[in-house]
Amino acid sequence: GAVVSQHPSWVICKSGTSVKIECRSLDFQATTMFWYRQFPKQSLMLMATSNEGSKATYEQGVEKDKFLINHASLTLSTLTVTSAHPEDSSFYICSASGRAVPYSNQPQHFGDGTRLSIL
Amino acid sequence: TQLLEQSPQFLSIQEGENLTVYCNSSSVFSSLQWYRQEPGEGPVLLVTVVTGGEVKKLKRLTFQFGDARKDSSLHITAAQPGDTGLYLCAGASRGSGNTGKLIFGQGTTLQVKP
Repeated sequence: GAVVSQHPSWVICKSGTSVKIECRSLDFQATTMFWYRQFPKQSLMLMATSNEGSKATYEQGVEKDKFLINHASLTLSTLTVTSAHPEDSSFYICSASGRAVPYSNQPQHFGDGTRLSIL
Repeated sequence: TQLLEQSPQFLSIQEGENLTVYCNSSSVFSSLQWYRQEPGEGPVLLVTVVTGGEVKKLKRLTFQFGDARKDSSLHITAAQPGDTGLYLCAGASRGSGNTGKLIFGQGTTLQVKP
């Protein structure tokens, strides 16, 4: 089955630090990757949609200068939380979907998430 | 704005009981997916339903897509402690601009006590 690897799984750092999270599709080409944020016992909140080779599309209320997304290849997307503060602490999850059409029927394959704790 | 209302949000039952989780919307979805997530991990896809009225079974789990493709249900028969987790429904629509963007329900936290 499709595998998505997310790294790191846990980050603890000081306020003001920038943190980069990687999302890789290991056995398929991911034309689209999604970045989510999740609070305890709550559902996933979509932050942005990332297409390979183009700028990410951010959801309303998500600061694009705060959460930098790069999708330079069909197997890698990165999310950088710039100048992180305690309120950015959360569980961040990426997902990837492949090339087959129709896109709307493509399942998303999720990484295992990154728990970010800002002190 | 498309919404997917998932209920109940919390459910605590005894081992052996049956349960049903519902996802409802006023919008039509081209497909609907169900995921299960355990703490500290990403969601794992259980099933995708595409056709209105479709029923899929996965061992003790039965998934149904409404005839109008606006709602779906997940029924678990004889729940076991291993079924404990967060269950998420997510719908995809053609209005997402062919990006495959999903609309997630609020999630159902299920606890099955031995």
